[in-house]
Amino acid sequence: KAGVTQTPRYLIKTRGQQVTLSCSPISGHRSVSWYQQTPGQGLQFLFEYFSETQRNKGNFPGRFSGRQFSNSRSEMNVSTLELGDSALYLCASSPALAGAGPDTQYFGPGTRLTVL
Amino acid sequence: KQEVTQIPAALSVPEGENLVLNCSFTDSAIYNLQWFRQDPGKGLTSLLLIQSSQREQTSGRLNASLDKSSGRSTLYIAASQPGDSATYLCAVGGSGAGSYQLTFGKGTKLSVIP
Repeated sequence: KAGVTQTPRYLIKTRGQQVTLSCSPISGHRSVSWYQQTPGQGLQFLFEYFSETQRNKGNFPGRFSGRQFSNSRSEMNVSTLELGDSALYLCASSPALAGAGPDTQYFGPGTRLTVL
Repeated sequence: KQEVTQIPAALSVPEGENLVLNCSFTDSAIYNLQWFRQDPGKGLTSLLLIQSSQREQTSGRLNASLDKSSGRSTLYIAASQPGDSATYLCAVGGSGAGSYQLTFGKGTKLSVIP
């Protein structure tokens, strides 16, 4: 099976702009989570989607949003970019089978966002 | 709020040495604990997943243990190789607002010297 893919791999934006990142989960996986990784804060949970619904959200401002499509692909959007949004954004998918407990998350290579 | 700490932040060892990486967490109400490897500029590779009911997991030269009551996990790497050089991340799987999420430590950067 192909792994988790994320596009684009690199992005450069300026302050005030908005950006959309895309994530395609492993085929058959229904849950998609997003994480932000910065040198200062490490890896932090952004949100998780399952069946096109956001089930959980981390402690990030409303400028960070996301959605999931019927084919489980997910996008995250950051509006009004700030310098501090520069980070590696990682997407992870998991099977999330009905009746099964939490299971391994498989991570994509990430999108490196630089805000100038 | 779950907090995960990894010690040491960086470690340098000669090739062939056995080593232990440490992870501690504050809330013992976890579903599982996962160890990841991250190479520079890359995503995360899952190494081992330990369910909350388990005490350890092994894969090749890697062995991870979990002591939920004391809030500790260790990753043991046997006979280290230069290819093991990477950042190792510990992540605790818990419940956030009713669904599963990972809380990560800041990692241990391992350098294995040939």
